[in-house]
Amino acid sequence: AQSVTQLDSQVPVFEEAPVELRCNYSSSVSVYLFWYVQYPNQGLQLLLKYLSGSTLVKGINGFEAEFNKSQTSFHLRKPSVHISDTAEYFCAVSEWEAAGNKLTFGGGTRVLVKP
Amino acid sequence: EAQVTQNPRYLITVTGKKLTVTCSQNMNHEYMSWYRQDPGLGLRQIYYSMNVEVTDKGDVPEGYKVSRKEKRNFPLILESPSPNQTSLYFCASSLSPTAFYTEAFFGQGTRLTVV
Repeated sequence: AQSVTQLDSQVPVFEEAPVELRCNYSSSVSVYLFWYVQYPNQGLQLLLKYLSGSTLVKGINGFEAEFNKSQTSFHLRKPSVHISDTAEYFCAVSEWEAAGNKLTFGGGTRVLVKP
Repeated sequence: EAQVTQNPRYLITVTGKKLTVTCSQNMNHEYMSWYRQDPGLGLRQIYYSMNVEVTDKGDVPEGYKVSRKEKRNFPLILESPSPNQTSLYFCASSLSPTAFYTEAFFGQGTRLTVV
């Protein structure tokens, strides 16, 4: 069965500094990988996804993530954060052709951007 | 405007009192799903529906029921709520099951407290 671990529950960061959110997964089959963002009092929004092809994936709002199959990781990065990036970020995985197209989510990483 | 609408947004209820959380989408989506979000656990799938009259269990279905009598609506029913069902609930939809990977729409969430 698939599982997702987000290693940091909270990440404080200063404005204009870089940020990296770590995500590791376990699965016995090939997977699709996702990062979602949840702004306060809102639903989830897809930031980026890896389905196949290039392992470096670019998403919205200047975020990017790199799929590393050997390390089963999908870390999210942004070179310079803004106050508006304050949110909770979820890594998610889905096994190819999983029943119900289920997404398995990590526990989330809360990013607090300080001025 | 394309959207997934959940009602109510906030609900406090007592143990054992049946309740329904409604979910409606205006995009003619086939696939709909319910998740619950708990601190440190991310989102976990409760039930999903591939189409009208087709529903199936997710990872944490105990204590919940769903129905899909019309394409646009996918209510979540708690026949006898208990305090361990206190959580933040999200409804999500996509055009098709596989489209969930590329364009999933999430509602704004329903915060339920069972006392």
